[in-house]
Amino acid sequence: SQQGEEDPQALSIQEGENATMNCSYKTSINNLQWYRQNSGRGLVHLILIRSNEREKHSGRLRVTLDTSKKSSSLLITASRAADTASYFCATRNTGTASKLTFGTGTRLQVTL
Amino acid sequence: DTEVTQTPKHLVMGMTNKKSLKCEQHMGHRAMYWYKQKAKKPPELMFVYSYEKLSINESVPSRFSPECPNSSLLNLHLHALQPEDSALYLCASSQPLPDRFRGNIQYFGAGTRLSVL
Repeated sequence: SQQGEEDPQALSIQEGENATMNCSYKTSINNLQWYRQNSGRGLVHLILIRSNEREKHSGRLRVTLDTSKKSSSLLITASRAADTASYFCATRNTGTASKLTFGTGTRLQVTL
Repeated sequence: DTEVTQTPKHLVMGMTNKKSLKCEQHMGHRAMYWYKQKAKKPPELMFVYSYEKLSINESVPSRFSPECPNSSLLNLHLHALQPEDSALYLCASSQPLPDRFRGNIQYFGAGTRLSVL
């Protein structure tokens, strides 16, 4: 399977804390993306980092990419209850055109 | 408008029924996708259409039949499904080709929750 692995599988934190989730993948990539999915809903694109980039920020999100280790991390700072969702990394692997390969996902629970 | 609309939201069908899932987008995207997602699992790609032509079939059983009537619409025809086909079916769209600037960001619909009895 080309599927990426994410850890932790589940994460529970309190509002205001930071949440970090990690993604590892197996093949060379063009880019890596993070998506959020609220329970039973569609996925929403959060941020994209290209293979020649090492770090990217968007609002409270910070993404890092280490292509030598084939890994990425997503940091959500100052978390809110509304951040409760599942988070998936997805890679566009070289040579696969329109196809994304999704990681196994991290379920984040933010409590008040 | 960055919306992908899927209908119906919920569908219950018997194993002998024929039904269709529908997906519509008006973002001018020329790639459209069907995914299947089981509970607590990532989406699994089923089909990709690029410029209204089927470009990827991930070895999906023939009881699932995709159709792309035009650049805005994508259907998934269902026939003789099995209980294990019960899942959330997601449609997505994107710009179609290796796109160095936009990176194949996909826009997802809210999904159809399918139950096969």
